[in-house]
Amino acid sequence: TQLLEQSPQFLSIQEGENLTVYCNSSSVFSSLQWYRQEPGEGPVLLVTVVTGGEVKKLKRLTFQFGDARKDSSLHITAAQPGDTGLYLCAANFGNEKLTFGTGTRLTIIP
Amino acid sequence: KAGVTQTPRYLIKTRGQQVTLSCSPISGHRSVSWYQQTPGQGLQFLFEYFSETQRNKGNFPGRFSGRQFSNSRSEMNVSTLELGDSALYLCASSLGLAGERYTQYFGPGTRLTVL
Repeated sequence: TQLLEQSPQFLSIQEGENLTVYCNSSSVFSSLQWYRQEPGEGPVLLVTVVTGGEVKKLKRLTFQFGDARKDSSLHITAAQPGDTGLYLCAANFGNEKLTFGTGTRLTIIP
Repeated sequence: KAGVTQTPRYLIKTRGQQVTLSCSPISGHRSVSWYQQTPGQGLQFLFEYFSETQRNKGNFPGRFSGRQFSNSRSEMNVSTLELGDSALYLCASSLGLAGERYTQYFGPGTRLTVL
């Protein structure tokens, strides 16, 4: 059974600060996606990374795929209240299913 | 283009009853996946349908079943409800199979409460 562990589970920081959340697995995955989910809504895809070592930027969000393809990180610069939400990573382990991580609940305090 | 719609949005049932949830995918999408989301277990994959055929299945008991119609709309059914089935049930649609890296678009979910 492939598991995706996210850390931290909860994170509460002041507006303007920087933060990093992590997604780790003991198994290699072929691709990884990051989603954000807001209350009362379904997850929304932020990015897909497929190449080991790949870095993608989406405005103030930077996504990195580990060289060994077992981990990924999401870094947010100058966090804003609109960044508040549940961040989920989801991996494809080559078995035609998406496995979701445990989630990081982020709160940005104005 | 309209997004994924799920009905009903909220549902309250009692133990032992059965329930049917509905999902209408984005027009042109042929794959529909279902997920269960709970605070303790997170988001877990139930099953995926593509062109009316179940293509993948998660580790859930046989009480959980689904189907897909020729217009790609999908339903999932849970029989003999248990308290632990209380959850947010999410539907996601995509042009192709989720495992082939097609982007999944999620609906807002159906919040099921079992009393």
